[in-house]
Amino acid sequence: AQSVTQPDIHITVSEGASLELRCNYSYGATPYLFWYVQSPGQGLQLLLKYFSGDTLVQGIKGFEAEFKRSQSSFNLRKPSVHWSDAAEYFCAVGAEGSQGNLIFGKGTKLSVKP
Amino acid sequence: DGGITQSPKYLFRKEGQNVTLSCEQNLNHDAMYWYRQDPGQGLRLIYYSQIVNDFQKGDIAEGYSVSREKKESFPLTVTSAQKNPTAFYLCASSTAGLPYEQYFGPGTRLTVT
Repeated sequence: AQSVTQPDIHITVSEGASLELRCNYSYGATPYLFWYVQSPGQGLQLLLKYFSGDTLVQGIKGFEAEFKRSQSSFNLRKPSVHWSDAAEYFCAVGAEGSQGNLIFGKGTKLSVKP
Repeated sequence: DGGITQSPKYLFRKEGQNVTLSCEQNLNHDAMYWYRQDPGQGLRLIYYSQIVNDFQKGDIAEGYSVSREKKESFPLTVTSAQKNPTAFYLCASSTAGLPYEQYFGPGTRLTVT
């Protein structure tokens, strides 16, 4: 069965430190991968997406993610975290033939220490 | 500006009452989706529609109903049959074809007492 795993429920980093949020997927078809961010009580905002080509993708707000097919991973990174990055982050995967449906991970909540 | 609107932001109902959540988009997207979000559960798909006058059940459709009479509108009704309706509800839309990136509305928090 298709699945998306975000192993870390909650991560705390200091402001200015680097960040890596993990995402692993299990999908038979060629995946399309997404990272979304959600502030409390708000909708989800698309940070970045991978469809094909360069496996390192750049997104908004200084985020990037790397697709590693051999590891079935799509980890999100940021070199220097800002206090405003505190939010919940969701990884999602879709594929051709999925009728447009995305499978979402359960999210990783990021806290930022001053 | 193009986007998705959901209204109201907060909704309160008494147990046993049906309630309808609004979702409107002006992105000219063919596909629309409803998700339910509970703490620690991520997003769970309730219903989706890829074209007007057609929709399919998602993973947790029991106790919910939808309609898709217009391309830009996809209202969700939470019926009295839904055993635990208090949750945060998110509407999303996307183009019908690949790569399926979805755009989300701001959400409606429903509280049933």
